Amino acid sequence: DTAVSQTPKYLVTQMGNDKSIKCEQNLGHDTMYWYKQDSKKFLKIMFSYNNKELIINETVPNRFSPKSPDKAHLNLHINSLELGDSAVYFCASSQGKRSSYEQYFGPGTRLTVT
Amino acid sequence: AQSVTQLDSQVPVFEEAPVELRCNYSSSVSVYLFWYVQYPNQGLQLLLKYLSGSTLVKGINGFEAEFNKSQTSFHLRKPSVHISDTAEYFCAVTTIQGAQKLVFGQGTRLTINP
Repeated sequence: DTAVSQTPKYLVTQMGNDKSIKCEQNLGHDTMYWYKQDSKKFLKIMFSYNNKELIINETVPNRFSPKSPDKAHLNLHINSLELGDSAVYFCASSQGKRSSYEQYFGPGTRLTVT
Repeated sequence: AQSVTQLDSQVPVFEEAPVELRCNYSSSVSVYLFWYVQYPNQGLQLLLKYLSGSTLVKGINGFEAEFNKSQTSFHLRKPSVHISDTAEYFCAVTTIQGAQKLVFGQGTRLTINP
């Protein structure tokens, strides 16, 4: 029974395409996140939602648009994909937006743009 | 802004030997500190965290870390490692105030040799 799940696990697509990654958590958490891990394993936050409200929006291109239909889901849509978007994208969740709370991570989605 | 530096990108050790993974941080305000572990092809999992109180923090799988405010360090240690400890280890920092935004270090790859 996976706590934080992501689909798809792998995504290979061509430049210019539009793609979505879905994330679901069954932990009852109210805060969810998207992180990007580049080829050097550097991990950086992209977005955070608390109760479906956007609370963190890092300097991410407008081509990236998160959507939270409810507290248990946070999807990431990417328009006009570029080579530099190739990375592993991790979804995470926590109970509350306070910085002391543990974040639970999904298994990641490896996006390859060709 | 906060930053985290993990001083070693790779640490090879023999099984049953002790290990220390080094982490230094920079911040102008009070912070919380975390260590996460990423096993191959998996998401991140919390090892331990320092919020307040005792500077020696014990985590899962026999790991512990010591917060040193004067040295701005949060080094991770284990007295005797196992093959199963082979993974990428990430140190992270977040400010006590404000929305939860984890800033990660570059990661340290711990390789255990038999």
